[in-house]
Amino acid sequence: NAGVTQTPKFRVLKTGQSMTLLCAQDMNHEYMYWYRQDPGMGLRLIHYSVGEGTTAKGEVPDGYNVSRLKKQNFLLGLESAAPSQTSVYFCASSPGRGEQFFGPGTRLTVL
Amino acid sequence: DAKTTQPNSMESNEEEPVHLPCNHSTISGTDYIHWYRQLPSQGPEYVIHGLTSNVNNRMASLAIAEDRKSSTLILHRATLRDAAVYYCILQWGQNFVFGPGTRLSVLP
Repeated sequence: NAGVTQTPKFRVLKTGQSMTLLCAQDMNHEYMYWYRQDPGMGLRLIHYSVGEGTTAKGEVPDGYNVSRLKKQNFLLGLESAAPSQTSVYFCASSPGRGEQFFGPGTRLTVL
Repeated sequence: DAKTTQPNSMESNEEEPVHLPCNHSTISGTDYIHWYRQLPSQGPEYVIHGLTSNVNNRMASLAIAEDRKSSTLILHRATLRDAAVYYCILQWGQNFVFGPGTRLSVLP
């Protein structure tokens, strides 16, 4: 099992550009999450999904959109990137209440 | 929103027990307490979680105060591989609130 994988690992964008981050899990988990982590800080929840076709806002959803068209994939989109969105993005999945399994992260820089 | 407070950093000697404290005075009755740790350049790793009772697993123990306003993560014998940032997290529904965490250093 690959667990949770994230694509890409690194990306540099210019202000105003758009991009999509892909998260994939092969554990058949219902729940999936997107977090961002700024330097020296803990993770903050952006959006989450409790099952295929569902999404919900977390603590810091502004500027991001998500989709969960397939159970194994959770996409995070930035329609018009801003320097404030420079961060490390982590995806996680969970079978339910309890342990979350995290991916290796995507380091995004917006110039 | 419920929040957690933790010491910024702690040190421990190898093979000694470590007690990592966390205060969560605004916790609600249905909030779960989670602990995760994060090594440099990696995603967080699950350690343990609980609601009201103390919990043990192969990695650690979680001691929850009777009023649930604080908890302590106990590593029974610290190893060099336990050096990481430890996060105490409250969960309500599917919302997980991370604090800045405690950076644990383990001295050989």
